[in-house]
Amino acid sequence: RKEVEQDPGPFNVPEGATVAFNCTYSNSASQSFFWYRQDCRKEPKLLMSVYSSGNEDGRFTAQLNRASQYISLLIRDSKLSDSATYLCVVKESNTGKLIFGQGTTLQVKP
Amino acid sequence: EPEVTQTPSHQVTQMGQEVILRCVPISNHLYFYWYRQILGQKVEFLVSFYNNEISEKSEIFDDQFSVERPDGSNFTLKIRSTKLEDSAMYFCASRELAGGEGDTQYFGPGTRLTVL
Repeated sequence: RKEVEQDPGPFNVPEGATVAFNCTYSNSASQSFFWYRQDCRKEPKLLMSVYSSGNEDGRFTAQLNRASQYISLLIRDSKLSDSATYLCVVKESNTGKLIFGQGTTLQVKP
Repeated sequence: EPEVTQTPSHQVTQMGQEVILRCVPISNHLYFYWYRQILGQKVEFLVSFYNNEISEKSEIFDDQFSVERPDGSNFTLKIRSTKLEDSAMYFCASRELAGGEGDTQYFGPGTRLTVL
């Protein structure tokens, strides 16, 4: 079983749409959870951390379900600039090692 | 805003040659990392470094790889004898401290290594 699993997509949506990405992780001892964004051939950039209580940052909402080992990201009112690959990332150890999912590609079209 | 920098942006080398990839982490950060991403694949952890020693390494990080913090600012990854399969984007990352806001790892722009 993959450590962090995501649907690779691509998700093709029109501007203004709401889109949701899901992710599952295999290690129940995982400590912290993140969504990173990666543009083509660029470095991953932190989009948001994910907390058990759920958290929101503008148009972005992240949720964590530790019992199901499931993480989600909701993007409302999609913009063309949201087109990117969204990486589900889990921190497993005290050393800070990050485990990345394959990424989900989003293409927002006018 | 402080950022992680990496040089060179692109390195082309012949198989069997040694390469050194350089990183300057954010100045007050204490934890340093190398990751790699083969084209079309996911980002993979290579090694973590804290207090001048390796704190964790992956199976990928074999005897051909080494890391060093030769001075107060640089953090380097050396590959002693490159193989074709070492071709990838190598990302350096750093974080400030454990827990809370300091848990965030900031990534450099990467070095694209091409082994011919």
